[in-house]
Amino acid sequence: AQSVSQHNHHVILSEAASLELGCNYSYGGTVNLFWYVQYPGQHLQLLLKYFSGDPLVKGIKGFEAEFIKSKFSFNLRKPSVQWSDTAEYFCAVKGGGYNKLIFGAGTRLAVHP
Amino acid sequence: EAGVAQSPRYKIIEKRQSVAFWCNPISGHATLYWYQQILGQGPKLLIQFQNNGVVDDSQLPKDRFSAERLKGVDSTLKIQPAKLEDSAVYLCASSSPGEGQETQYFGPGTRLLVL
Repeated sequence: AQSVSQHNHHVILSEAASLELGCNYSYGGTVNLFWYVQYPGQHLQLLLKYFSGDPLVKGIKGFEAEFIKSKFSFNLRKPSVQWSDTAEYFCAVKGGGYNKLIFGAGTRLAVHP
Repeated sequence: EAGVAQSPRYKIIEKRQSVAFWCNPISGHATLYWYQQILGQGPKLLIQFQNNGVVDDSQLPKDRFSAERLKGVDSTLKIQPAKLEDSAVYLCASSSPGEGQETQYFGPGTRLLVL
């Protein structure tokens, strides 16, 4: 069965630290890849997405993600986090013969000032 | 542009009672999704509509869950009777089809607690 793995369930960082959240998926073929973010008390929002082309994708608020097909990975990065980045981050994948969006379990990020 | 609207935002019921959730998608979005998000997990698709037709309901527990989208716009999701394990956030999302490359936009969710 298709699955999406997010390696870290909880991450705690200080402001200005660099961030990398891992995401791996289990199936090959053409995939669409997404990172969603849920800030405290708010709904899920799209952070960035990859459909095709340049595997390095830039999203909102200085986030970027790199699609590495050979590793089935789509890791999220930010060079310098802010307190306002405190949120839960979800990786999601669509494809591999399945026409539905499969979410990872999420990573809770806490940024301390 | 108005986002996806959902109501109620919170609901507390006792097991074996029934409950219904409502969703109004973004205007013009033909595809509507209902997800269940249990605490500590990512959202899981329950049902997907394309206009008023069901595209995928393979993960909907049909013995107790039902959903409809009669006029191809608003949708309701019902649970009858509710069980303790139905406690979760129920998310509605919508998208505009684009050859499989559509992006889903989520509503605020309904947080259900079954006692």
